[in-house]
Amino acid sequence: GQQVMQIPQYQHVQEGEDFTTYCNSSTTLSNIQWYKQRPGGHPVFLIQLVKSGEVKKQKRLTFQFGEAKKNSSLHITATQTTDVGTYFCAGPGAGGTSYGKLTFGQGTILTVHP
Amino acid sequence: NAGVTQTPKFQVLKTGQSMTLQCAQDMNHEYMSWYRQDPGMGLRLIHYSVGAGITDQGEVPNGYNVSRSTTEDFPLRLLSAAPSQTSVYFCASSYSRDRGHEQFFGPGTRLTVL
Repeated sequence: GQQVMQIPQYQHVQEGEDFTTYCNSSTTLSNIQWYKQRPGGHPVFLIQLVKSGEVKKQKRLTFQFGEAKKNSSLHITATQTTDVGTYFCAGPGAGGTSYGKLTFGQGTILTVHP
Repeated sequence: NAGVTQTPKFQVLKTGQSMTLQCAQDMNHEYMSWYRQDPGMGLRLIHYSVGAGITDQGEVPNGYNVSRSTTEDFPLRLLSAAPSQTSVYFCASSYSRDRGHEQFFGPGTRLTVL
């Protein structure tokens, strides 16, 4: 079945440093989504990428979708303590009712030291 | 709109007991899913539904049942609780793939099985 791998599992940074998490799928994805989960909270949708090679920005966050639509990355510039949390990527199934399910990566836990 | 609601927030069960985790959404979403989250394991899909009367298994369905008699509700039943089912359970809903597929998560249920 489809597998979505995410690295690194943990990342500790000093406030102001940059951060990147990478996501790789075993199959080509029709789209990829990114979520953020604050400690003790629930995942919250950040963005969806659909097109090959797509790049989207949200303030200090930059999201990329690979040309082959099998990998993606999230880059945060100049981290702040408010960026603390776990970042997940997720890809949909393909075909039939599999469109209804998402496969999540294991997540990257980001710690920001002030 | 209340979004996605889950009850209870916390639950302690003894091995062998059964219970139902409730999930409801008021956004008229077609898709609904149940995930469990364990440390270092990310979000693993238990069961999902692409519409009333249609359910399918996810990655870790054993020990759980679901049904979807209405668009709004998607309860998760634990048939005979085991300590391995100690976890945080999230329900999520979304529009269909053609309408964006962004998943909205409920606040979660923290389940402990003794």
